[in-house]
Amino acid sequence: GENVEQHPSTLSVQEGDSAVIKCTYSDSASNYFPWYKQELGKRPQLIIDIRSNVGEKKDQRIAVTLNKTAKHFSLHITETQPEDSAVYFCAAGPRGSEKLVFGKGTKLTVNP
Amino acid sequence: DAGITQSPRHKVTETGTPVTLRCHQTENHRYMYWYRQDPGHGLRLIHYSYGVKDTDKGEVSDGYSVSRSKTEDFLLTLESATSSQTSVYFCAISEEGKFRNEQFFGPGTRLTVL
Repeated sequence: GENVEQHPSTLSVQEGDSAVIKCTYSDSASNYFPWYKQELGKRPQLIIDIRSNVGEKKDQRIAVTLNKTAKHFSLHITETQPEDSAVYFCAAGPRGSEKLVFGKGTKLTVNP
Repeated sequence: DAGITQSPRHKVTETGTPVTLRCHQTENHRYMYWYRQDPGHGLRLIHYSYGVKDTDKGEVSDGYSVSRSKTEDFLLTLESATSSQTSVYFCAISEEGKFRNEQFFGPGTRLTVL
């Protein structure tokens, strides 16, 4: 079955810097890669996703890149702000399946 | 937020007692999921449902059962709760079609088993 590894587990940056979180997946049949943001005590919220027919997707300050050959995808946050502080989860969705397999999460702290 | 509610939001119970958590959706989505979230483990799938009375196991299903008698409700039951089932439980939903793995989460239930 699918296995998703996420790095780093914690990340601390200064406000205004960029943050990058990386994930690798094992099943080459996976074709859907979402990212969730979870603030303390709240539910995970979908912030951006990418499907395997594209290599990059951007939404304002966040972007996701996908390298199908290497089986890894990354979340990029530019001009970080304190409100970006949260736990971020990546996931992979196998083709033809409604299920997701999640990484273990990255705690991002943005210092003012 | 998608129309998903969970009840109760918090529960403290004792080892050996049965516990049922409820997930209710107003979106008429086909797929519903139960996850548990523990520090260092991320989100792990317990059970999921692909329709009324249609359910299947996830990666951590031991000790849990589920039922879905109508589209809007998905129940998770711990037949005899153990301390290892202390966790935060999230329900999620997704719609049918090409976006069926776009999952949206409920607010969560914090369960403590003493």
